[in-house]
Amino acid sequence: GENVEQHPSTLSVQEGDSAVIKCTYSDSASNYFPWYKQELGKGPQLIIDIRSNVGEKKDQRIAVTLNKTAKHFSLHITETQPEDSAVYFCAANTNAGKSTFGDGTTLTVKP
Amino acid sequence: NAGVMQNPRHLVRRRGQEARLRCSPMKGHSHVYWYRQLPEEGLKFMVYLQKENIIDESGMPKERFSAEFPKEGPSILRIQQVVRGDSAAYFCASSPLGPQYNEQFFGPGTRLTVL
Repeated sequence: GENVEQHPSTLSVQEGDSAVIKCTYSDSASNYFPWYKQELGKGPQLIIDIRSNVGEKKDQRIAVTLNKTAKHFSLHITETQPEDSAVYFCAANTNAGKSTFGDGTTLTVKP
Repeated sequence: NAGVMQNPRHLVRRRGQEARLRCSPMKGHSHVYWYRQLPEEGLKFMVYLQKENIIDESGMPKERFSAEFPKEGPSILRIQQVVRGDSAAYFCASSPLGPQYNEQFFGPGTRLTVL
């Protein structure tokens, strides 16, 4: 089955700096890669996603890149703000429906 | 348009009791997924259901756990004879179309504590 690894497990940045979180996956059949933000006591919220026919996608301060050959994808947050502090999860999906999640990255943005 | 609803939000059970977790998908969504999250870990897939059918239960323990999504009403995740190791947050997600459309919307979760 699919295996998703996520790094780093914790990340601390100064407000205004950029943050990068990286994930690798194992199943070449995976074709959809969402990123979720989870705040304390809440469910995961989709913040951006990318499909396997696209190499990069951007939405304001958030961007995701995908390298299908190397089987890795990354989340980039620019101009970080304290409210960006949360746990971020990557995931990989095949057409079978279920999502395989990474173990999460705890991002702390220091004011 | 209300999001995915889960209840209860918090559930406390003693060892050996039954836990019933409910999930109402977003309006118009007929696909439901259940995930379990242990403290400081990622979400682990348990089961994928469509109305009245279990599509994939490969992540669900064979013993004590069952799930259903009836024609009418919410999806139910049932855990019989709970043990302390069942303590976790259980999330459900729903999607409007088949898995090839992929996007899943998550509920707020049910936090189960087994004493």
